Amino acid sequence: NAGVTQTPKFQVLKTGQSMTLQCAQDMNHEYMSWYRQDPGMGLRLIHYSVGAGITDQGEVPNGYNVSRSTTEDFPLRLLSAAPSQTSVYFCASRGGHSPLHFGNGTRLTVT
Amino acid sequence: SQKIEQNSEALNIQEGKTATLTCNYTNYSPAYLQWYRQDPGRGPVFLLLIRENEKEKRKERLKVTFDTTLKQSLFHITASQPADSATYLCAPDWGSGNTPLVFGKGTRLSVIA
Repeated sequence: NAGVTQTPKFQVLKTGQSMTLQCAQDMNHEYMSWYRQDPGMGLRLIHYSVGAGITDQGEVPNGYNVSRSTTEDFPLRLLSAAPSQTSVYFCASRGGHSPLHFGNGTRLTVT
Repeated sequence: SQKIEQNSEALNIQEGKTATLTCNYTNYSPAYLQWYRQDPGRGPVFLLLIRENEKEKRKERLKVTFDTTLKQSLFHITASQPADSATYLCAPDWGSGNTPLVFGKGTRLSVIA
């Protein structure tokens, strides 16, 4: 089972560039979410989705967009990258009351 | 908004001892509390879930308690081993299945041989 797959694993961007972090899950989970993790800050929720066509903001949504056109995919878009978005990004999914399943993260550096 | 505090950023213990990690939360009580382990460079991995009507849950060398009066969960690792060294995260779950999980900042445990 693949579980939650994130691509790319590493990315370097220049300030102002845009990119999309990909997240796919093969467990038919309705709920998907994006977190960023910074030293000393823990995991902070960016956006989440409770099903295809439904998204909502988390704790730190500014500078990020999401959409959910299928159950399997939940991409995270950075429209104009800033150095403050340098972080490790984790995608996670869950079905019903099950625990979260996490991907192995995308390490993003913005110079 | 909910505030989740884990007792310390880092905890060092000697191999063979019991490690005890604390998770405190504010405001209304969650229906569940989840604990995860995170190794460097990897995503968190689920370990244990305890329900509000359970006082204690065990899995091998792991034990979790849940005190809704104190608004606290304790996570114990008995007979600790260097392989238990990792960051441990707690996440209260308000139980709808669609409610986002908010995590504590985690406690980095180092088990010294």
